[in-house]
Amino acid sequence: QVQLVQSGAEVKKPGASVKVSCKASGYIFTTYGISWVRQAPGQGLEWMGWISAYNGNTNYAQKVQGRVTMTTDTSTSTAYMELRSLRSDDTAVYYCARDPSGTTSSPAWGQGTLVTVSS
Amino acid sequence: QTVVTQEPSFSVSPGGTVTLTCGLSSGSVSTSYYPSWYQQTPGQAPRTLIYSTDKRSSGVPDRFSGSILGNKAALTITGAQADDESDYYCVLYMGSGISVFGGGTKLTVL
Repeated sequence: QVQLVQSGAEVKKPGASVKVSCKASGYIFTTYGISWVRQAPGQGLEWMGWISAYNGNTNYAQKVQGRVTMTTDTSTSTAYMELRSLRSDDTAVYYCARDPSGTTSSPAWGQGTLVTVSS
Repeated sequence: QTVVTQEPSFSVSPGGTVTLTCGLSSGSVSTSYYPSWYQQTPGQAPRTLIYSTDKRSSGVPDRFSGSILGNKAALTITGAQADDESDYYCVLYMGSGISVFGGGTKLTVL
């Protein structure tokens, strides 16, 4: 079955960077894009960006543009999201999701990765 | 800036029917936006209920259904149960990999 397994929780200081991984299994990785979605404590879901696992094309939300880089490693079916210059308001659970809008198939989500930014 | 709108809160009686909606700040929602619906309880990842307007995700009871009602996407829950009390999010696809989430609806069953 389709599975997305994310890396573990991280604690970072303001100004640092974090890189979260998302390993996919159960489908042909290059067939779908991966979106990254975050949820700050007590807040709603926020789409951060998308990467095509086929050709690496990306699209980022304006809010994180310039601080985020999304990449994939097709040899290991793994997607990565790196966020730089971390601020306290980047504290959130970060999710990877395959096709969250269900354009081609039922969406699949990772379990989430808590990133805490604190001095 | 595209804003996806949802009711901030809604309540339903046990056994009752409720329809949550998902609109656009400007324009109408159609199937071209592939509206999808998620259920989320505290501390859990979102659970897919409905995708591409009206397709039920595997294992989701048929009490949950999706549709387009007027100019909005809609999630209808019939025979509401206590464990339906959750946050519900809709998401719309804008093309080029871009998705926009609504602010969520907190559903209370009482």
